[in-house]
Amino acid sequence: NAGVTQTPKFQVLKTGQSMTLQCAQDMNHNSMYWYRQDPGMGLRLIYYSASEGTTDKGEVPNGYNVSRLNKREFSLRLESAAPSQTSVYFCASSEALGGSQETQYFGPGTRLLVL
Amino acid sequence: QKEVEQNSGPLSVPEGAIASLNCTYSDRGSQSFFWYRQYSGKSPELIMFIYSNGDKEDGRFTAQLNKASQYVSLLIRDSQPSDSATYLCAVNSGGGADGLTFGKGTHLIIQP
Repeated sequence: NAGVTQTPKFQVLKTGQSMTLQCAQDMNHNSMYWYRQDPGMGLRLIYYSASEGTTDKGEVPNGYNVSRLNKREFSLRLESAAPSQTSVYFCASSEALGGSQETQYFGPGTRLLVL
Repeated sequence: QKEVEQNSGPLSVPEGAIASLNCTYSDRGSQSFFWYRQYSGKSPELIMFIYSNGDKEDGRFTAQLNKASQYVSLLIRDSQPSDSATYLCAVNSGGGADGLTFGKGTHLIIQP
């Protein structure tokens, strides 16, 4: 099993450009998450999807949109990139059924630089 | 607002000694607690989870939970240079898929 995969690994954008970060998991997990990680700020939740067909805002959703395409795939879109969105983006998934099944498994991350 | 607090470090520990990492949380309704390890430039990986008061041991790692005092800790025995990483504490505050609140992490350095 590949676990959680993300594409691309690295991307450079100019201010105002758009892009979509892709995430897929092969663990048959119900829930998926997008985080950003900035130096000194820890992991901050952008959006999550509790189950196929649902999405909800996290702590820092402004400037982002998401799509839960099916149970496996959860994409994050930047419509008009800004330098403040320079970050490392992690996708994660979990069973989200309580206890140890709340464990989130992370993808390798996408490093995004907005100039 | 749910908060998870960790000392950012760096915490420097000699090789072979016990490293002690601490975490406090604000939400008394928190039910599950997780420790992740993150190497520089890599993604977080799960080390342990705990949801009952007391100690839970897994190899060189021991997680300790005290819900009355709202803290959780991670002990690493016989520390190795390969344990040098950032350790993230994460808390689930009520179940469901809205998921985990992460601390900012403690940077641990094991000195050979």
